[in-house]
Amino acid sequence: EPEVTQTPSHQVTQMGQEVILRCVPISNHLYFYWYRQILGQKVEFLVSFYNNEISEKSEIFDDQFSVERPDGSNFTLKIRSTKLEDSAMYFCASSATRTAATNEKLFFGSGTQLSVL
Amino acid sequence: GNSVTQMEGPVTLSEEAFLTINCTYTATGYPSLFWYVQYPGEGLQLLLKATKADDKGSNKGFEATYRKETTSFHLEKGSVQVSDSAVYFCALRRATRQLTFGSGTQLTVLP
Repeated sequence: EPEVTQTPSHQVTQMGQEVILRCVPISNHLYFYWYRQILGQKVEFLVSFYNNEISEKSEIFDDQFSVERPDGSNFTLKIRSTKLEDSAMYFCASSATRTAATNEKLFFGSGTQLSVL
Repeated sequence: GNSVTQMEGPVTLSEEAFLTINCTYTATGYPSLFWYVQYPGEGLQLLLKATKADDKGSNKGFEATYRKETTSFHLEKGSVQVSDSAVYFCALRRATRQLTFGSGTQLTVLP
């Protein structure tokens, strides 16, 4: 079965540094997402991306965050100046459907664990 | 706003035991409800879903029924296996493509 690939699996960075988390969605998919889970807390929606622009974003997704689809295969999440509270598992997801959100099936990657020191 | 409350874990069961993981939700209108599972080292995978009241989602021996009157979507399996050990997430979607997740329940099944 096709899968969403995320790299790296674990990233360690110093507070204030920029990080880029990388994702390769399934090749014919149209919608792309980032979610995160802080240790012991809920999985939280960050942003959705369709047709080369952000379609939805949460309050968490402030000016420190950006997403990009630089080529036909990669989907990246950039955190401009990391904070301690950005430490979390970040999940990328993609889906194919153009139909109503009700029937959408999301495919998730295995996540990147970001540790900000 | 929308929210999902899930049974606290971890849950440890013996093989062939009955499993229930409770999930309740708060949302306006009629959300779609989901259970996702995350096996060690893998991404979240859709386990089952239900899109309207009284629907029953089922897959791999797991079942959950959308109960509007109790705003619940409890996950059940009659006889768990060691291979069911994973983290289980309840989630809802309402109107937009954004999923709202619960905090996850770690299940460990012992042989």
